[in-house]
Amino acid sequence: EVQLVESGGALVQPGGSLRLTCAVSGFTFSIYEMNWVRQVPGKGLEWLSYINSGSTTIYYADSVKGRFTISRDNAKNALYLQLHSLRVDDTGLYYCARGIRDSDAFDVWGQGTMVTVSS
Amino acid sequence: DIQMTQSPSSVSASVGDRVTITCRASQTVTIYLNWYQQKPGRAPKLLVSATSTLQSGVPSRFSGSRSETDFTLTISSLQPEDFATYYCQQSYSTPWTFGQGTKVEI
Repeated sequence: EVQLVESGGALVQPGGSLRLTCAVSGFTFSIYEMNWVRQVPGKGLEWLSYINSGSTTIYYADSVKGRFTISRDNAKNALYLQLHSLRVDDTGLYYCARGIRDSDAFDVWGQGTMVTVSS
Repeated sequence: DIQMTQSPSSVSASVGDRVTITCRASQTVTIYLNWYQQKPGRAPKLLVSATSTLQSGVPSRFSGSRSETDFTLTISSLQPEDFATYYCQQSYSTPWTFGQGTKVEI
């Protein structure tokens, strides 16, 4: 079964840091592009970051550029998102999502991990 | 950034109704427009990629089409399990952007 499982979400103070992990199983992780997408509860979806299969191409949304870092370990079947300088408006449910190479659509999603930034 | 504008923001419909949701891009996205369905407490689910490619397992009552920068998701005969929020997303150029969502309600 294809599965993405996020972890690492927590309550953190403004200015703090977190590392989110997406553990992957059920498919050959090393050949797929991956993404992080955020959703404020009750609100819409915001794409945050992309990494290709070999980690040679990385993109970020302007809202997180310079503060968040995406990475992956193909040997461990894991995707990461390092969050620094967290702000209150970074609060949300963070999803990892697999990308389809030909269309860049997100065909498999995890269940999300909640990040709450509050003092 | 490419802005995606969905309409309507919500629609009330009955089982068996034909429902059409529109997404307009602020500039060309060619065919790179995707549709997702999200139910409360669940992750989004990809329904249609690249304007009109139905994902495996998605019922044929769902279809997608395009006219220039206007895209449409049509549900031909609404079923009880289709009540959800639907999002469009362009994957033509980064930052990939989503529409604000359309809630399909009873």
